[in-house]
Amino acid sequence: EVQLVESGGGLVQPGGSLRLSCAASGFTFSDYYMDWVRQAPGKGLEWVGRSRNKANSYTTEYAASVKGRFIISRDDSKNSLFLQMNSLKTEDTAVYYCVRDKISDYWGQGTLVTVSS
Amino acid sequence: QSVLTQPPSASGTPGQRVTISCSGSSSNIGSNYVHWYQLLPGTAPKLLIYRNNQRPSGVPDRFSGSKSGTSASLAISGLRSEDEADYYCAAWDDSLPGRVFGGGTRLTVL
Repeated sequence: EVQLVESGGGLVQPGGSLRLSCAASGFTFSDYYMDWVRQAPGKGLEWVGRSRNKANSYTTEYAASVKGRFIISRDDSKNSLFLQMNSLKTEDTAVYYCVRDKISDYWGQGTLVTVSS
Repeated sequence: QSVLTQPPSASGTPGQRVTISCSGSSSNIGSNYVHWYQLLPGTAPKLLIYRNNQRPSGVPDRFSGSKSGTSASLAISGLRSEDEADYYCAAWDDSLPGRVFGGGTRLTVL
C-alpha cells in the first residue's frame, strides 16, 4: 500500500525557515517524480515544485512564487522527500502535501505551515 | 488568478449529469495531459481522472473526462450526494515550466 506521510509543519515567524519531510512507502521511491502542492486556507491548490527521479538526474522545478526561497531534495536511500522553506512569508501559510508522480496519483494527508508573528 | 479557468460553482440534483469545464492555452492543456482531482472536506485530494480520460481503479465509471484543443471537461453522471466536493483540473505548462491548477469548482448536489 502506497503511503506518504508529511511532517515538520508548525508555526514560524515571517522571515523564518522550516523543513518539511515526506516519508514514502509501498512503492519504489527512486523510480518516481515527486511534487509538493499546497492549499492556503480557503484557497485552491497550488503547485510548489517537483523533484524528478534519478533517471532524470534529480532535476527540480519550482513555482515562481517560491523560486529562490524553497529547495526540494530527496534521499532515495531513505525513501524521503524534503522541502526546505526559507524567507517565509505570511502568504506561505498553507497545508503542504507530498504528492507522487506526474499524475499525482497519491497524496499525503498534509502538514500545516503557519507563518505569523 | 489561475492559469486554468474553471467555473467557481456547479450544481445538480441526484441522478442528473453535470459537467465542469477547464480552459487553458496551447502551452498547457493544448500540449499536455489534463488530470482531475476531487477534494472532500477534511481529506486529502483524490485523483479522479488522469491523462485526459483515464480512470484510476476504484473510481466509478460515472466520472469521465475529455479534452479538445485547449479545453477539457469532467462529466459526472448519475449524480449522488457524496459527489458534493471541490473539483480541480491540472496540467503541465511548458512555458513556465511548471504544473498549473484550475481555481477549483465547488459542486453542490441539491
